[in-house]
Amino acid sequence: DSGVTQTPKHLITATGQRVTLRCSPRSGDLSVYWYQQSLDQGLQFLIQYYNGEERAKGNILERFSAQQFPDLHSELNLSSLELGDSALYFCASSVGGGANTGELFFGEGSRLTVL
Amino acid sequence: QQPVQSPQAVILREGEDAVINCSSSKALYSVHWYRQKHGEAPVFLMILLKGGEQKGHEKISASFNEKKQQSSLYLTASQLSYSGTYFCGTVERETSGSRLTFGEGTQLTVNP
Repeated sequence: DSGVTQTPKHLITATGQRVTLRCSPRSGDLSVYWYQQSLDQGLQFLIQYYNGEERAKGNILERFSAQQFPDLHSELNLSSLELGDSALYFCASSVGGGANTGELFFGEGSRLTVL
Repeated sequence: QQPVQSPQAVILREGEDAVINCSSSKALYSVHWYRQKHGEAPVFLMILLKGGEQKGHEKISASFNEKKQQSSLYLTASQLSYSGTYFCGTVERETSGSRLTFGEGTQLTVNP
């Protein structure tokens, strides 16, 4: 158990819909990262938040948005869903927020299926 | 900039050694290595921060050539439990935050 909690674990929805994925970081970690992993693919960096502020941005679509709340939990919002958005979405957390960040602790992921 | 990993896949017999390579075209601050078993979350193996420094994790070690932006992961006397996909992740020097960009992964299979 990494200490990172993601909900829901599984989600099935239709094209055009909107979903919200939630992540609670490990106790004491200030950074939250979101990654997308399509079937048998690599981990695509989406976005990083540190202590409530956006710190780094990857190839995140405009239809996707995220935020980190004062209690440090984070939400990833996916809208106007397309079939290609079906993937495993991982949240990870770490203590630091800069280039010298250490280990990332990954949650178990939220598997999104768009039909 | 996504790092490039090679080989894409490796099949070993238990007890054999393997090397997985990772390279980047960008100046790097650090290289991370993670292992992901099928259906599970990636798990941290090690991080390398200085040129030429080697870090070890049981029978798994790695090196980082800062000048060449290359890192290699060494798996010695492989065990069945080593099977999985290995990802290298890189943090570029000229980057904001902790943008950790992963390669496509190397699928390692260890057979009895």
